[in-house]
Amino acid sequence: GENVEQHPSTLSVQEGDSAVIKCTYSDSASNYFPWYKQELGKGPQLIIDIRSNVGEKKDQRIAVTLNKTAKHFSLHITETQPEDSAVYFCAASIDGYALNFGKGTSLLVT
Amino acid sequence: DAGITQSPRHKVTETGTPVTLRCHQTENHRYMYWYRQDPGHGLRLIHYSYGVKDTDKGEVSDGYSVSRSKTEDFLLTLESATSSQTSVYFCAISEGNPTNEKLFFGSGTQLSVL
Repeated sequence: GENVEQHPSTLSVQEGDSAVIKCTYSDSASNYFPWYKQELGKGPQLIIDIRSNVGEKKDQRIAVTLNKTAKHFSLHITETQPEDSAVYFCAASIDGYALNFGKGTSLLVT
Repeated sequence: DAGITQSPRHKVTETGTPVTLRCHQTENHRYMYWYRQDPGHGLRLIHYSYGVKDTDKGEVSDGYSVSRSKTEDFLLTLESATSSQTSVYFCAISEGNPTNEKLFFGSGTQLSVL
């Protein structure tokens, strides 16, 4: 089955700096890659997603890039703010069915 | 949380007792999922459903069963709870349409098995 590796497990940045979280996947058939943000005591919330026919997608301060050849994708957060502090999860699947998640990155913005 | 209600929100039970967690959605989405979240493991899929009475196993299905008798309800049952099933359980839903794959999560159920 699909295996998703996520790095780093923890990330600390200063307010205003950029943060980058990277994920790799194993199944070349995977074509849907969402990112979720989870705040303390809440369920994960979708923040951005990308399909395999697109190399990059942006939404304000958040962007995701995908390299299908290398089977890795990354989340980029620019101009970080304290409210960006949370746990971020990447995931991969075929057509969105039964997402396989990475183990999460705890981001702290100070 | 996208019209998803999980109940109970918290539960403490003893080893060997049966436990049922409920997920109710008001979105009429076809797909429903149960995930568990544990430190160091992220989110792992237990079971999912792609329609009424249509279910399939996920990565960590041992010790769990599910039922879906109505579109809006998806039940997760621990037949005989064990301490290793102490976790936070999340229900999720999606339309299951390949052009709209977005997955939405409920607020979770914290289960402690003593």
